[in-house]
Amino acid sequence: GESVGLHLPTLSVQEGDNSIINCAYSNSASDYFIWYKQESGKGPQFIIDIRSNMDKRQGQRVTVLLNKTVKHLSLQIAATQPGDSAVYFCAENTAGTDKLIFGTGTRLQVFP
Amino acid sequence: KAGVTQTPRYLIKTRGQQVTLSCSPISGHRSVSWYQQTPGQGLQFLFEYFSETQRNKGNFPGRFSGRQFSNSRSEMNVSTLELGDSALYLCASSSMATNEKLFFGSGTQLSVL
Repeated sequence: GESVGLHLPTLSVQEGDNSIINCAYSNSASDYFIWYKQESGKGPQFIIDIRSNMDKRQGQRVTVLLNKTVKHLSLQIAATQPGDSAVYFCAENTAGTDKLIFGTGTRLQVFP
Repeated sequence: KAGVTQTPRYLIKTRGQQVTLSCSPISGHRSVSWYQQTPGQGLQFLFEYFSETQRNKGNFPGRFSGRQFSNSRSEMNVSTLELGDSALYLCASSSMATNEKLFFGSGTQLSVL
């Protein structure tokens, strides 16, 4: 199947620190990007999205940065909490394809 | 508003059998997508339906099929099950004409013995 690549399978951070999860995408024609959080036993949950005409978008404690020059996407989580422990997926959509392509995921572990 | 509902939650089958999974999208959503998720893998796109028509299909064999009904509910079928079909099957719905922000169900965990 098709997929967008993620580099780090596991990220461990201390509670209260900021987390940065990275994602590389290969299709320069992709124009919509989205981050999902998946907790054990649950389906992926929408976190934040961004279109290619933007380079930054902020939500509650989360920020997504898009660098189209190097085809890189990142998710920043401020003041990481134990409840943030989960697997995080990035996904891309290319106009006209009508489907989201997901990365392999990064596991975020938050320790006290 | 109720979320995406998938049934059954767990399923155990043996090789060679066939299985049907069901998905009820969020009310008002007309697009339904199916994904396969296996340990250590990302979500692999299976297919997507919009207004009862299959609009996109992933790189899976013909044993995997699906359909969508007029009320937007969807089913996927896997015939002649193989051990490698053991996975979490996720359904997602979207309100948009293009398949962007997806809302996922909790999935059906299929185990093939």
